[in-house]
Amino acid sequence: GAGVSQSPSNKVTEKGKDVELRCDPISGHTALYWYRQSLGQGLEFLIYFQGNSAPDKSGLPSDRFSAERTGGSVSTLTIQRTQQEDSAVYLCASSPAGRSDEQFFGPGTRLTVL
Amino acid sequence: GQSLEQPSEVTAVEGAIVQINCTYQTSGFYGLSWYQQHDGGAPTFLSYNALDGLEETGRFSSFLSRSDSYGYLLLQELQMKDSASYFCAVRDQAAVNKLTFGGGTRVLVKP
Repeated sequence: GAGVSQSPSNKVTEKGKDVELRCDPISGHTALYWYRQSLGQGLEFLIYFQGNSAPDKSGLPSDRFSAERTGGSVSTLTIQRTQQEDSAVYLCASSPAGRSDEQFFGPGTRLTVL
Repeated sequence: GQSLEQPSEVTAVEGAIVQINCTYQTSGFYGLSWYQQHDGGAPTFLSYNALDGLEETGRFSSFLSRSDSYGYLLLQELQMKDSASYFCAVRDQAAVNKLTFGGGTRVLVKP
């Protein structure tokens, strides 16, 4: 079946603008995760959804970052008033309930803030 | 909080064996996962160890020692396509649904 998809694949924006990143998880996967990866670095956890609720938002770096998930499926990560340090690849992953150790990742959105 | 340590880079020739070590510090522990990521690609799941011992999946094996807070990924019969970054990740009692990743080990396979 289809894997995790993300859009856009690339986004270039100017400092101070808002951006929205979208994630379509694998159908039936109740858990959804957002990560951020800077060049040559590991994955930085941002937020976790179980269904439509986000029990763990501990990784969001500031109040400029927010995320929502609707219908237990699609999720949107919004970054307001983007800064240059927000430039990174934003990865989304999903997993079946209770299978957090085996996550299926999307191709990511490469965000560049000029 | 959690922390994971793994070497930053390893170079080996085709056909060789590479061992990528991972040491971790967590408050409680559920298991150790390994992911592979090719340049420009998405991470893909390789293996998961919850109990001590060796898990073998084809050319790749993963080992865990809970008492030593240590694990490794063993890549055998290296192929050029194995050139990638490899990440260990842990889940612990403080955040049971969250994976914390190490910084990654870049493996370069030479002819």
